[in-house]
Amino acid sequence: TQLLEQSPQFLSIQEGENLTVYCNSSSVFSSLQWYRQEPGEGPVLLVTVVTGGEVKKLKRLTFQFGDARKDSSLHITAAQPGDTGLYLCAGGNTGKLIFGQGTTLQVKP
Amino acid sequence: DAMVIQNPRYQVTQFGKPVTLSCSQTLNHNVMYWYQQKSSQAPKLLFHYYDKDFNNEADTPDNFQSRRPNTSFCFLDIRSPGLGDAAMYLCATSRVLAGGRETQYFGPGTRLLVL
Repeated sequence: TQLLEQSPQFLSIQEGENLTVYCNSSSVFSSLQWYRQEPGEGPVLLVTVVTGGEVKKLKRLTFQFGDARKDSSLHITAAQPGDTGLYLCAGGNTGKLIFGQGTTLQVKP
Repeated sequence: DAMVIQNPRYQVTQFGKPVTLSCSQTLNHNVMYWYQQKSSQAPKLLFHYYDKDFNNEADTPDNFQSRRPNTSFCFLDIRSPGLGDAAMYLCATSRVLAGGRETQYFGPGTRLLVL
């Protein structure tokens, strides 16, 4: 059974701080997606990474896919209250997504 | 804009009263998925359609059924909702490419309340 361990599960920080969320697995994934979800809404795709060692940047968000395609990280620089939400990593293989447990991020003004 | 649309956004039903949730997409994707999500948890896959082929997850209760009359539409039928079925139901789509399936795109979800 493929598993994605996501950490931390909860994070409460002050505006302006930096943070990193991790997703780790013993399995290799063909792709890894990061989603952000606000209460009462569906997950919104942030990025897809497919190549080992790949780094993608989306404004203050930096996504990295591990060399072996088993792990990924999301780093947010200078977090803002608008970054508050549930962050989900999901590994793709054989057409299904394996989700991490999610990270609930609260950024206080 | 091309997108995944879910209706209604909020649905209230009574214990045991059948309910249908709908999903439509303008992405022309050939795979459609239904997920159940409970508070602050990751989405749980119920089933998916690859074109007209239905693929049920092993642990999806028989109470949950699905129909896909054409490429654009997919329905989730809950035959006898219980209190434990109150959740957010998410529809997603993806496209099959050589070597695997493309990223999944989610709709806004339908929040189901069972009284």
